[in-house]
Amino acid sequence: DAGVIQSPRHEVTEMGQEVTLRCKPISGHDYLFWYRQTMMRGLELLIYFNNNVPIDDSGMPEDRFSAKMPNASFSTLKIQPSEPRDSAVYFCASSFAPGTASGNTIYFGEGSWLTVV
Amino acid sequence: GEDVEQSLFLSVREGDSSVINCTYTDSSSTYLYWYKQEPGAGLQLLTYIFSNMDMKQDQRLTVLLNKKDKHLSLRIADTQTGDSAIYFCAESSYSSASKIIFGSGTRLSIRP
Repeated sequence: DAGVIQSPRHEVTEMGQEVTLRCKPISGHDYLFWYRQTMMRGLELLIYFNNNVPIDDSGMPEDRFSAKMPNASFSTLKIQPSEPRDSAVYFCASSFAPGTASGNTIYFGEGSWLTVV
Repeated sequence: GEDVEQSLFLSVREGDSSVINCTYTDSSSTYLYWYKQEPGAGLQLLTYIFSNMDMKQDQRLTVLLNKKDKHLSLRIADTQTGDSAIYFCAESSYSSASKIIFGSGTRLSIRP
């Protein structure tokens, strides 16, 4: 299996620029998650989707962040405009229904390492 | 809301056992997990335990669950340099079945 695929792996951008992070979940998984990891805050859940529909976006920091899932095999996380404090590793993850007998774990991508200067 | 807590750092000598501890608040937790994150990589599931179990062993890994105290631990026997990583405790429950709540991670370092 290919696993969760994220792109780009690394991005350096200037403050004010738009950043788009991409994710291809594992085929068949109906949940998709976006996490952000920083030294200060650890691992934060930003938003998650079920069957392409956003279920909980309460973790999205502010209006500069948006996420979409136009189909079952693709999602984007967009930051516009980007700021230095957005520098972090952004993880995409996917699963079957977490916490149930059949889908009791989520699988993470390798992460997108974002630096905003 | 649900919360998962763990200490930030642990240092052990190579060959010794490592014990990483975690506490959680959700009494309705159904699954509890340990994830491992190596430098520059994503999180990978190490093992999990269902809430009606007290212990689970998988080669060098032993998971102990104390539901009364809401305490989970991960023991790594014969710790090797390759075990250096951040270890995340996580939980899910039927009440929040669509989310897995992660702790802040424990950074395990191995000294010779």
